[in-house]
Amino acid sequence: DVKVTQSSRYLVKRTGEKVFLECVQDMDHENMFWYRQDPGLGLRLIYFSYDVKMKEKGDIPEGYSVSREKKERFSLILESASTNQTSMYLCASSSTSGGKQFFGPGTRLTVL
Amino acid sequence: QQQVKQSPQSLIVQKGGISIINCAYENTAFDYFPWYQQFPGKGPALLIAIRPDVSEKKEGRFTISFNKSAKQFSLHIMDSQPGDSATYFCAASMHQGAQKLVFGQGTRLTINP
Repeated sequence: DVKVTQSSRYLVKRTGEKVFLECVQDMDHENMFWYRQDPGLGLRLIYFSYDVKMKEKGDIPEGYSVSREKKERFSLILESASTNQTSMYLCASSSTSGGKQFFGPGTRLTVL
Repeated sequence: QQQVKQSPQSLIVQKGGISIINCAYENTAFDYFPWYQQFPGKGPALLIAIRPDVSEKKEGRFTISFNKSAKQFSLHIMDSQPGDSATYFCAASMHQGAQKLVFGQGTRLTINP
C-alpha cells in the first residue's frame, strides 16, 4: 500500500523558533508538495518539488523554505515561527505520469 | 486569488438523499478536475476525477458532472450514507510539469441517519 508519512501529528512551538516538518514517501514519486489547510480556505500550496534539489514556490511561500536532498524526503522549514503559521500542514506526492496526489495524515502545528 | 470556488461551505443531508457540491473555476487551461475526500484526522484521498473531454463520470454512488462552457463541475453523491460524512474538496490542475492542484475551499458534509 502506498504511503506518505509525516514526522509528527501534533507540534507545539514558540514564536521565533525554527521548525522542521518532515515528509517521506515510499512510492518513488518525482513530485512532492507542502500545503497548509485552514478552515474556509481549503488547501493552499506552499512549495513543491519536481526532482531532487529542485523546488518551486507555491501560492503562499512567505515565511517558509523547503529542502529535498533525497527523492523520498521533502522537508518544510519555518525559519522563525509566528502565530499566524498555526495551521494543519499536509504533505503530498505524485508521479509525473498522472495527476493523482497521495497525502500524508498531516501535522497540526500550534505556534504560541 | 482563488481560482476554484466551492459551495456550499457546509451541507446536511438525510440518509438516502442526494448530496450535491458545486465548483467553479476561472482558468480555461485547467484540464484535470479531481474531488478529494477527507475524514477527521486523515489526509485527503482522491475520490473521483474527470477530464474535460467528457461531461459526466460515474463511480458507484459518486458522479462528477462537468460543464465546460460554464466552467463548472459538481459532485453528486446518490443514496448518501452516514459513512459519507466528511470534508470534500474539488480541485483543478493543468496536465503539465508537476501538475499542481488548485483546491476549492472545502465542503463539510454531514449525513444524518
